[in-house]
Amino acid sequence: ETGVTQTPRHLVMGMTNKKSLKCEQHLGHNAMYWYKQSAKKPLELMFVYSLEERVENNSVPSRFSPECPNSSHLFLHLHTLQPEDSALYLCASSQDMARGVFYEQYFGPGTRLTVT
Amino acid sequence: AQSVTQLGSHVSVSEGALVLLRCNYSSSVPPYLFWYVQYPNQGLQLLLKYTSAATLVKGINGFEAEFKKSETSFHLTKPSAHMSDAAEYFCAGGRAGNMLTFGGGTRLMVKP
Repeated sequence: ETGVTQTPRHLVMGMTNKKSLKCEQHLGHNAMYWYKQSAKKPLELMFVYSLEERVENNSVPSRFSPECPNSSHLFLHLHTLQPEDSALYLCASSQDMARGVFYEQYFGPGTRLTVT
Repeated sequence: AQSVTQLGSHVSVSEGALVLLRCNYSSSVPPYLFWYVQYPNQGLQLLLKYTSAATLVKGINGFEAEFKKSETSFHLTKPSAHMSDAAEYFCAGGRAGNMLTFGGGTRLMVKP
């Protein structure tokens, strides 16, 4: 595997289910990101991790719970979601995060989530 | 607050015609600007990036963009559209902490 991979690619879940999205980066990067892409809305940054520490939480509802067990893996745990949470969830990684330098973000293919 | 605005959510061109996708940024956005492309059912792929080294930036697949500070613009162009260019294009600005702020996206359609 190369780059950033995400599983599953498609997920349908009921509002009472609990599921998890997985992201893995094979680039040796230190920072990882979760984005939400909804129809007719700009991509929204949800969470950012740097060296397994959360550095940004963009006012995301608590029904979304991220986990970063190591710098290569990022999870998004989902529970009691709403239909409006249906979207494409994209994971990205970057080499690092540092002042004065902007490191390019590499994106995975996304997980298409449908909440019924 | 910083923002990135893409003018035109849909652009349609004929194959072989010039492609012009517009992006304007707010003046508070740091001088890091990006264009990404998203093909159906795929993630975002970086086309090109501006990091203040040169105002005209060349990217992959024949695309280029010009940073114009006086106009706060970073429009994406390609001299001759190909059918394979049909996709959604996103302009983004980099902000402190390695975060990206995205525009709303422009869907490019290429007619034969």
